[in-house]
Amino acid sequence: AQTVTQSQPEMSVQEAETVTLSCTYDTSENNYYLFWYKQPPSRQMILVIRQEAYKQQNATENRFSVNFQKAAKSFSLKISDSQLGDTAMYFCAFMRRFDDKIIFGKGTRLHILP
Amino acid sequence: DTEVTQTPKHLVMGMTNKKSLKCEQHMGHRAMYWYKQKAKKPPELMFVYSYEKLSINESVPSRFSPECPNSSLLNLHLHALQPEDSALYLCASSQVVGADTEAFFGQGTRLTVV
Repeated sequence: AQTVTQSQPEMSVQEAETVTLSCTYDTSENNYYLFWYKQPPSRQMILVIRQEAYKQQNATENRFSVNFQKAAKSFSLKISDSQLGDTAMYFCAFMRRFDDKIIFGKGTRLHILP
Repeated sequence: DTEVTQTPKHLVMGMTNKKSLKCEQHMGHRAMYWYKQKAKKPPELMFVYSYEKLSINESVPSRFSPECPNSSLLNLHLHALQPEDSALYLCASSQVVGADTEAFFGQGTRLTVV
């Protein structure tokens, strides 16, 4: 069975700083996707970034980038130049290819302080 | 249009009531999902529909009854719920299984059972 672990329940950083959220996962699969979702107080789950396991290059989306270490089964999210609007719950998630089921970690609550 | 629309946004119901949650998407996605999310917890998968057929039921009690009348709509019928069923119910959709895919989430229905 696949598991996703986020070891940081809560983090706070000052605005404009860089912050890294950790995620590790366990799977015996070779073809899968990893995601970071953001859930602000508005409740909607928003996809921040996606990584295909078969791609060695780390995904980036503007201020968001990942450090994907497949052998170590690690998938951390780096937020650069953090903004107040980045305050949210962040979930790391895993999905096997050819599957319907997304498995979420327990989340990291991120506070960006003015 | 990259929206998943859920109605109602809030719902309060008694334990003897019958109500329905609705979800709609017009992205041509053929996989649709219901998740339940308790406060400060990750979403938990309840049901998956693939091509309008129920493909996954995560051992959800029968007081929750999903329905997928067509490729754009997903309903969750509620009957004889318990107070512990109070939660945020999230609908999501994604492209067909097997494609490079991501799940798009609605804003959720905040359900309170009294």
